[in-house]
Amino acid sequence: DTEVTQTPKHLVMGMTNKKSLKCEQHMGHRAMYWYKQKAKKPPELMFVYSYEKLSINESVPSRFSPECPNSSLLNLHLHALQPEDSALYLCASSQDLASPNTEAFFGQGTRLTVV
Amino acid sequence: AQKVTQAQTEISVVEKEDVTLDCVYETRDTTYYLFWYKQPPSGELVFLIRRNSFDEQNEISGRYSWNFQKSTSSFNFTITASQVVDSAVYFCALTIVNYGQNFVFGPGTRLSVLP
Repeated sequence: DTEVTQTPKHLVMGMTNKKSLKCEQHMGHRAMYWYKQKAKKPPELMFVYSYEKLSINESVPSRFSPECPNSSLLNLHLHALQPEDSALYLCASSQDLASPNTEAFFGQGTRLTVV
Repeated sequence: AQKVTQAQTEISVVEKEDVTLDCVYETRDTTYYLFWYKQPPSGELVFLIRRNSFDEQNEISGRYSWNFQKSTSSFNFTITASQVVDSAVYFCALTIVNYGQNFVFGPGTRLSVLP
């Protein structure tokens, strides 16, 4: 199984809502990532988890709250988002941070629209 | 700091033409890894190739080939006999040791292959 599964695929939420994005992998990878991709732009790193601990936070606003409950799951909790947060949110996983010479697997993303 | 430049924003070719996508990178690290990813309209990033900084051998995989030249900091990607299914956005990316798959992506090149 070489898949990273993200749910939901599409999400529309109001600015006062609380929602969560979910990412799952069963490849035994110990590094997991959240990327944000605006239209016609490359993905930008948000968070990196290494062995279920937050390793990198790229100065992301607190309305985005990541969580890694176990080695297979990565969540992104959303609260009080702004319309400019509308984007494709991509999850990825890789063997670990000390092994950049391995493939990262990306999910299909959650297309988020904030209204 | 790392930087990746893809000067071609959009390219259109007719099916069966050859096309080369350019990638130029900047890094002060002596050990680094270069990647190409394909992003079809469905959204997921599909891994194409990985190269480490010590391996300047060119590579061919079917219709795809890559030319890595450290002297010019370039890692170009050629598709031979393009097909409509090659239409996608292609990203060149860079990462360094102990940074896992914390990619620095180039801006991407949108390739349209017309029938």
